[in-house]
Amino acid sequence: NAGVTQTPKFRVLKTGQSMTLLCAQDMNHEYMYWYRQDPGMGLRLIHYSVGEGTTAKGEVPDGYNVSRLKKQNFLLGLESAAPSQTSVYFCASSYPPTGPSYEQYFGPGTRLTVT
Amino acid sequence: KNEVEQSPQNLTAQEGEFITINCSYSVGISALHWLQQHPGGGIVSLFMLSSGKKKHGRLIATINIQEKHSSLHITASHPRDSAVYICAVSNTGNQFYFGTGTSLTVIP
Repeated sequence: NAGVTQTPKFRVLKTGQSMTLLCAQDMNHEYMYWYRQDPGMGLRLIHYSVGEGTTAKGEVPDGYNVSRLKKQNFLLGLESAAPSQTSVYFCASSYPPTGPSYEQYFGPGTRLTVT
Repeated sequence: KNEVEQSPQNLTAQEGEFITINCSYSVGISALHWLQQHPGGGIVSLFMLSSGKKKHGRLIATINIQEKHSSLHITASHPRDSAVYICAVSNTGNQFYFGTGTSLTVIP
């Protein structure tokens, strides 16, 4: 099993450009999450999904959009990148809280720089 | 307002020392998680616990629900234990709250 994979691993954008980060998991997890990690701060939830076709806002959703068209994929979009979105982005997946385990599995991260 | 607080923020230890990292939380939880983030950036889950104590190799995690406190212990520390250790809590409302992490350096 590949677990959770993220594409790309690194990206540099100019202000105003758009991009999509792809997260894929092969563990048949219902739940998927997008986090950002900034120096001196804990992981912060951007958006999450509790199943195919569903998405919900997290703690810091502004400037991002997401889609979960397939159970195994969770896409994070930046429509008009801003320097404040420079961060490391992590995707994670898990079973539901009532499932066999609520442990989260993380992808390797995407380092995004917006200039 | 931080729902999860960790201490210390930074910790340096000599190889072989016993290490304790503390986590306090202020929200109702269904489970507490300890994660490890290596210098390369990858994050792995070490423990998920809702009561008592769990042990995996040289790592031990405990939780006191009444005091809203958890500890992660590392026995016989080794340089390869050097990493950032993150405490997180989850609830049945699909929310995870993360601490800012404890950066551990173990010196040979």
